[in-house]
Order: sequence, then structure tokens, then C-alpha cells
Amino acid sequence: GAGVSQSPRYKVAKRGQDVALRCDPISGHVSLFWYQQALGQGPEFLTYFQNEAQLDKSGLPSDRFFAERPEGSVSTLKIQRTQQEDSAVYLCASSPVQVGMNTEAFFGQGTRLTVV
Amino acid sequence: KQEVTQIPAALSVPEGENLVLNCSFTDSAIYNLQWFRQDPGKGLTSLLLIQSSQREQTSGRLNASLDKSSGRSTLYIAASQPGDSATYLCAVRLDSWGKLQFGAGTQVVVTP
Repeated sequence: GAGVSQSPRYKVAKRGQDVALRCDPISGHVSLFWYQQALGQGPEFLTYFQNEAQLDKSGLPSDRFFAERPEGSVSTLKIQRTQQEDSAVYLCASSPVQVGMNTEAFFGQGTRLTVV
Repeated sequence: KQEVTQIPAALSVPEGENLVLNCSFTDSAIYNLQWFRQDPGKGLTSLLLIQSSQREQTSGRLNASLDKSSGRSTLYIAASQPGDSATYLCAVRLDSWGKLQFGAGTQVVVTP
């Protein structure tokens, strides 16, 4: 596609529900990142994929957060047993290259998750 | 641990004035620094990317400087317009894979 696409754009979940957020990166992009942006804050790194391999998941806040990219393209961020503190905008970014190249990542419009 | 700070948190200027946005970081071992724009309810739009070996980068009315040794970057926007109203975020690249560390942003309002 023309850009990084995320769905849904908005999600309201009751506390305790499981949610799945989808990211369609730009076709052919090797690197994929997930970030979490709380209201009034900058995005915080969650996890990174290079093709289908999850190389860094140091930013995932708890074991309720799980991300996958099984075929090296579309990625899903899953949050189990959602809590109110999970309310945030979840941003996905993709980049055409991998290690050692100083290129920029392209961001999607994000999914705004509200846990009530 | 790298920390990125943006001052001021909010800024309001009349149309036509120049904007000066500041970003500071604590660890000079960065790959590059990037400035983004974020409109309400939208994702991030990249404005300028400065490599660690560069001192500045320019695009149209935008100019960004980088002083790695002092851990500072400044984004200048000349002759501001109401359409420049947005939140501006700076981010440093931490590793070869491309992980970014963001500041909290500066919310800019340009009044007609």
C-alpha cells in the first residue's frame, strides 16, 4: 500500500477484555516497530521485528502484551486482560532496511485504545 | 539510560514569527536525530533527519541543528503560519536496528 495502515483506528474495550491491533507495513519493508503513546507524552518503544523475527521486546510493559509477525509482513499486537493503564495510542512504524542503515521509519496513524 | 527532553512543553506565537523548538538528550552516542510533526488524532510525519555526523539539515522553512557533544538539537521554523500548529517531537536513534527514544513534544499554536 501507499503507507503504513493500522486497524482499527479506535477501540474501546472493557477492563479484562483481550484486544488485537493490526499493522500493515509498507510492502517490502523489513523492519517493523510498535510504540505506545500515552496522552501528552512521546511514543515509547514496545518491540521490534526484522522480517518475522522479534529481535527486541524489551519495551513490552508486561506479559499481557504479545506481538507477532508470522510471515514477515502484517503484525498484530495483542493485549490480554486489558487494564485502564493500557489506554493509549499504539503506533506502528516500518522501515525498508535493517541493521546499520541510517534511514527513517514511516509511521501509521495509530490505534487509539480506551479501556473502560 | 538515554533521556530526551523538549522545552517548552507548549508555545503560542502570532503568525509570521519564527519558531524555536529545543530538544536535549543525555547520551551523545546516537545514530541520528529526527524531528516529527504530529497533528491531533494522526500519526507522525517526519520533518527532518540529521545524521550523527551532520551539524544541520534544512527543508524549506525548516532548519534543524545538532550539537552532539552538548546533547542538543534545535528546530527553527521561519515565518510561522497557522498551518504549522501541531505537536513537534524529537527522537534520537539508539541502535543500529532503528529503535527511537522520543521527547514528550512541544505543542505549538500559531495564531492568525
